[in-house]
Amino acid sequence: DAGVIQSPRHEVTEMGQEVTLRCKPISGHDYLFWYRQTMMRGLELLIYFNNNVPIDDSGMPEDRFSAKMPNASFSTLKIQPSEPRDSAVYFCASSLLDVAGGTDTQYFGPGTRLTVL
Amino acid sequence: DAKTTQPTSMDCAEGRAANLPCNHSTISGNEYVYWYRQIHSQGPQYIIHGLKNNETNEMASLIITEDRKSSTLILPHATLRDTAVYYCSPWGSARQLTFGSGTQLTVLP
Repeated sequence: DAGVIQSPRHEVTEMGQEVTLRCKPISGHDYLFWYRQTMMRGLELLIYFNNNVPIDDSGMPEDRFSAKMPNASFSTLKIQPSEPRDSAVYFCASSLLDVAGGTDTQYFGPGTRLTVL
Repeated sequence: DAKTTQPTSMDCAEGRAANLPCNHSTISGNEYVYWYRQIHSQGPQYIIHGLKNNETNEMASLIITEDRKSSTLILPHATLRDTAVYYCSPWGSARQLTFGSGTQLTVLP
């Protein structure tokens, strides 16, 4: 398996522009997570989906952020309008629930490094 | 939410065991302890997880104290490729991993 795929790997944009980050989870996984990582705040969960349905979006900073999962193999995280404080590395992760153990191990993509000027 | 404390940095000689501690004194009874590592500019990589019992897989061993307030990740024979930042994180029903500042492990030749 190719693992979690994210695109683009790097994005540089100007304040006010719309940014769309993309993620393809591992085939067969039923959970998808979007995280943001910064030096100041560490790793923060933004939102996660189960079977394409958003379950918890309490980590989404504000209305400028939105996420969708139209099917089991694709998700997007959109920022509109973008601001310099959105600069961070955005990770997508996917997992498959281990029904017997009650846990799911998250596998991360390589991340998208976003710079908003 | 449970918080974790880890040493900022550690060195280990190549071929020797690396023992990385994590304090998670406020962990809930039903929360697991997960360990990940992050090599520069890459996504976090899963290593191992456990609840109460010690665990071992092909990458590492995890020792959890009986009171569950701390754990130790053991890399039995560290190699240069194990140089990375290592994170421990509680994990529970909220499904959220939380990484603090982690431990920068440097494996020396």
